[in-house]
Amino acid sequence: NAGVMQNPRHLVRRRGQEARLRCSPMKGHSHVYWYRQLPEEGLKFMVYLQKENIIDESGMPKERFSAEFPKEGPSILRIQQVVRGDSAAYFCASSPLSETQYFGPGTRLLVL
Amino acid sequence: SQQGEEDPQALSIQEGENATMNCSYKTSINNLQWYRQNSGRGLVHLILIRSNEREKHSGRLRVTLDTSKKSSSLLITASRAADTASYFCATDARPNDYKLSFGAGTTVTVRA
Repeated sequence: NAGVMQNPRHLVRRRGQEARLRCSPMKGHSHVYWYRQLPEEGLKFMVYLQKENIIDESGMPKERFSAEFPKEGPSILRIQQVVRGDSAAYFCASSPLSETQYFGPGTRLLVL
Repeated sequence: SQQGEEDPQALSIQEGENATMNCSYKTSINNLQWYRQNSGRGLVHLILIRSNEREKHSGRLRVTLDTSKKSSSLLITASRAADTASYFCATDARPNDYKLSFGAGTTVTVRA
């Protein structure tokens, strides 16, 4: 059973461009979570999704950020008009109905 | 503000020694989990301890939880060079709050 997959692993964008981060949960997992990690810090919750539904987006900036988890395909975290402060590692986690969240390897976004 | 805070921030030990790190949190929790993160990699789930448990073991790991003091400790016995990583505690307040709150982590270096 493959783990949580994220791609790309590294992404470089210039200020003003769009960043699209993808996450494929573990097989059988219907819950997806996105977290952001700034250098030397712990992870901060951004958004929690189930298939076709955003359950909680309280940790996501109100502007420029959006997330989706369609019926088919991976979950997408989209950042429009990126700024330097968006540079971070973005982690996706998935879970079945249990408490344990399994994390992907992360996407490291660098905004030039 | 962060829910969990690890102490110490950094720890350097000799191979074969034990490593102990602590985590304190602020609000009531349902579960507390410990994760390991190798440099530049994703998070690996180590152990979950529920709020009604006081101690849990997994291989060379021993976790304690004191809900009256809102604190947990992670002990790694007989450390190995491969244990070099950052260790994070994460709490959740399910069933109503599923999002994990992470501390800033303890960076452990095991010297050969």
